[in-house]
Amino acid sequence: VMTQSPATLSVSPGERVTLSCRASQSVYNNLAWYQQKFGQAPRLLIYGISTRATGIPARFGGSGSGTEFTLTISGLQSEDFAAYYCQQYNSWPLTFGAGTKVEI
Amino acid sequence: QITLKESGPTLVKPTETLTLTCTFSGFSLSTTLEGVGWIRQSPGEAHEWLALIYWNDETRYSPSLESRLTITKDNSKNEVVLTMTNLDPVDTATYFCAHRRGHSFFDTWGQGTLVSVSS
Repeated sequence: VMTQSPATLSVSPGERVTLSCRASQSVYNNLAWYQQKFGQAPRLLIYGISTRATGIPARFGGSGSGTEFTLTISGLQSEDFAAYYCQQYNSWPLTFGAGTKVEI
Repeated sequence: QITLKESGPTLVKPTETLTLTCTFSGFSLSTTLEGVGWIRQSPGEAHEWLALIYWNDETRYSPSLESRLTITKDNSKNEVVLTMTNLDPVDTATYFCAHRRGHSFFDTWGQGTLVSVSS
């Protein structure tokens, strides 16, 4: 089970935000983060805990290990207001967190 | 460039069978390590992984839905088909297909298709 917190985060542009994801058991480094805007498909941001996907800006950073993970967005921009989901791909069944909505 | 697109009915009656098609480009499901999965997202709920098929015909299913799901592929058409039986209103969701290489993350997703289950 993947647990994300908080469910909603109200921030201002330019701020630094930290989103948390906790796994019920170790997923080693098999952890990804996705961004999803309303009515759109999820977009891969981070995989392997901290590797940015192609084209993802450097303001997005992932960290953590084992069961505790963090997505940090430094200098939030208007296009970053969205929902963020973590996913473990270490074991079956593949599971996602319920998400954190980052709102203005 | 990898793209995927889901297609299928928008409205299904309870107890009916749902058939969704994922049409993709930019890779071949006959190439080693390539895979396509299905994931759904009910309104206000987390994403739920449903099924996955690999280049070698290996299939994986969500344990909670395995008895109702079948995933198949047609390499000649670049299509993956998901069948779900005995639909219920709780199956109302947006259904996504996504590309996966090996035992890793989903690197590209389709836009999703909204399926409503109602009489």
